[in-house]
Amino acid sequence: DADVTQTPRNRITKTGKRIMLECSQTKGHDRMYWYRQDPGLGLQLIYYSFDVKDINKGEISDGYSVSRQAQAKFSLSLESAIPNQTALYFCATASGTGGYTFGSGTRLTVV
Amino acid sequence: DQQVKQNSPSLSVQEGRISILNCDYTNSMFDYFLWYKKYPAEGPTFLISISSIKDKNEDGRFTVFLNKSAKHLSLHIVPSQPGDSAVYFCAASAGWNTGNQFYFGTGTSLTVIP
Repeated sequence: DADVTQTPRNRITKTGKRIMLECSQTKGHDRMYWYRQDPGLGLQLIYYSFDVKDINKGEISDGYSVSRQAQAKFSLSLESAIPNQTALYFCATASGTGGYTFGSGTRLTVV
Repeated sequence: DQQVKQNSPSLSVQEGRISILNCDYTNSMFDYFLWYKKYPAEGPTFLISISSIKDKNEDGRFTVFLNKSAKHLSLHIVPSQPGDSAVYFCAASAGWNTGNQFYFGTGTSLTVIP
């Protein structure tokens, strides 16, 4: 099993729908992150969490919310999806040494 | 404002030759730097890191150089192999061990030609 698992891998949704992207990890890391990748823009931080009770906004949190259900689970929600949220979404974990361990990504298309 | 920049979107290199990928940053507080490699349909994977107390770090065919005065780092791959064809991201953090995030560049797509 992968260290960081993201579901779904691909999703097409309609404008205005609520959608949740899920992430689970077996690394035992406290830190978890959601990044978004757009062509030509690299990876941008949406939200991050250092433990279940600690949630922090990243650079581009507007239109998104998160939930840290357990140390191993961190989900990202789009309350009302819009087309410019079409992107590749990555979940990542970290321990504070080394760098991030990324999941395989979720390709989200909002039509 | 982009704090980490990779100004070359793509690079092509012959197999066996050296690949040099460049990265510039603007924040002088950055003290820890990473390179990630990303294949299509996969997440980025960690390649090599360097702390600001060093100017060079090697791991096999991969060497990262840091020039703090120029706010520039580079990744050297020698010799380049076709399996190195991927997108490479550099990332930087100011105080990573205290919880600060990494900022990523926009990536350079490397193609190694057999």
